[in-house]
Amino acid sequence: DGGITQSPKYLFRKEGQNVTLSCEQNLNHDAMYWYRQDPGQGLRLIYYSQIVNDFQKGDIAEGYSVSREKKESFPLTVTSAQKNPTAFYLCASKKGTGDEQYFGPGTRLTVT
Amino acid sequence: GESVGLHLPTLSVQEGDNSIINCAYSNSASDYFIWYKQESGKGPQFIIDIRSNMDKRQGQRVTVLLNKTVKHLSLQIAATQPGDSAVYFCAESRRSARQLTFGSGTQLTVLP
Repeated sequence: DGGITQSPKYLFRKEGQNVTLSCEQNLNHDAMYWYRQDPGQGLRLIYYSQIVNDFQKGDIAEGYSVSREKKESFPLTVTSAQKNPTAFYLCASKKGTGDEQYFGPGTRLTVT
Repeated sequence: GESVGLHLPTLSVQEGDNSIINCAYSNSASDYFIWYKQESGKGPQFIIDIRSNMDKRQGQRVTVLLNKTVKHLSLQIAATQPGDSAVYFCAESRRSARQLTFGSGTQLTVLP
């Protein structure tokens, strides 16, 4: 089965703790993306990576960090510096020459 | 800044009727447009896309129309079914940017 997996589906953390969200793809896609979605809102780009060991900030990168050590994996760390971390986080990937992004099922993070 | 916007946040249609979801964009340099469907608590799913060198593209029960003169995009769903109830997002990109910019979404509700 090819696709994008995100784990866990639901995540709960206390304020002040860092938390890492997992994103794995076996589609052999070059590019990977992280988006944040708030209730009733569209998707906002946090970080993206076009190739291994390289990534760029999106529109709302403050308080987040990423790594891209392997082509298949693009984990997102939500740090304690992120003021409003509670949200639905979506990971996506696409072929290097393509435009269509394929999305994972998402992780709902709740910080209290 | 540049953005992709939607005319209506909600749309209700009778089962069996046709649905039309509209989207406005402001970046005249956009050359790729895509529609996604997002069911509650899930990641967005690809519906259909279109490039700026086309005015119309058809899929299974769906048609996307692009009017570059007025920077308007629409998604038409024929014979709307209960399973079509979801939030629909349009997104645009420029080849140079390699990113998708999403609109805020339209909630489609299919009435029995």
